[in-house]
Amino acid sequence: AQKVTQAQTEISVVEKEDVTLDCVYETRDTTYYLFWYKQPPSGELVFLIRRNSFDEQNEISGRYSWNFQKSTSSFNFTITASQVVDSAVYFCALSEDGSGTYKYIFGTGTRLKVLA
Amino acid sequence: DTGVSQNPRHKITKRGQNVTFRCDPISEHNRLYWYRQTLGQGPEFLTYFQNEAQLEKSRLLSDRFSAERPKGSFSTLEIQRTEQGDSAMYLCALGEAGIYGYTFGSGTRLTVV
Repeated sequence: AQKVTQAQTEISVVEKEDVTLDCVYETRDTTYYLFWYKQPPSGELVFLIRRNSFDEQNEISGRYSWNFQKSTSSFNFTITASQVVDSAVYFCALSEDGSGTYKYIFGTGTRLKVLA
Repeated sequence: DTGVSQNPRHKITKRGQNVTFRCDPISEHNRLYWYRQTLGQGPEFLTYFQNEAQLEKSRLLSDRFSAERPKGSFSTLEIQRTEQGDSAMYLCALGEAGIYGYTFGSGTRLTVV
């Protein structure tokens, strides 16, 4: 069965600290896709990144970086030099290829509070 | 602009009433999804349309729920005989191919009193 676990319910950091949000997933499919979304207080889900199961390259986008490790079924997200505007709930999600629906299985989210 | 408009933004209704939400894509997308998000949880899949065809429904979608997408453009989600457990944020999402990441609407927050 598919499952996404975000064990960290809430994290608080002081501005300019680095922070890593953990995501562990379970799937039986060999082809699957992993995503991170940001949900600021306004409520809208904002797409951050997609990774497919064939591509284990880490990715960096500005202050954001992602570490995908199939061996540990993890897709962790690091924010470098955090800012107050990074305060939000962050969701990791899994989508499998099998049915063609590409529906997402979301984790329960990690609330990040960045204090000035 | 997110590319997806959802109305209303908020809806308060009395238990037992029927409610209808609407999702309007600003541009054409063949795939449309509905999700439900309760407080402190991640969104959960409800149903999926490819153009006007409803191709998958979650077990979460009881027979009190119905969704339509006439002409493959906008979509509506109706809940009949609302219950307090239906209180949640209802999210519409679009994706040409879901693997590239959906575009989510801002959602409709339903409160059943």
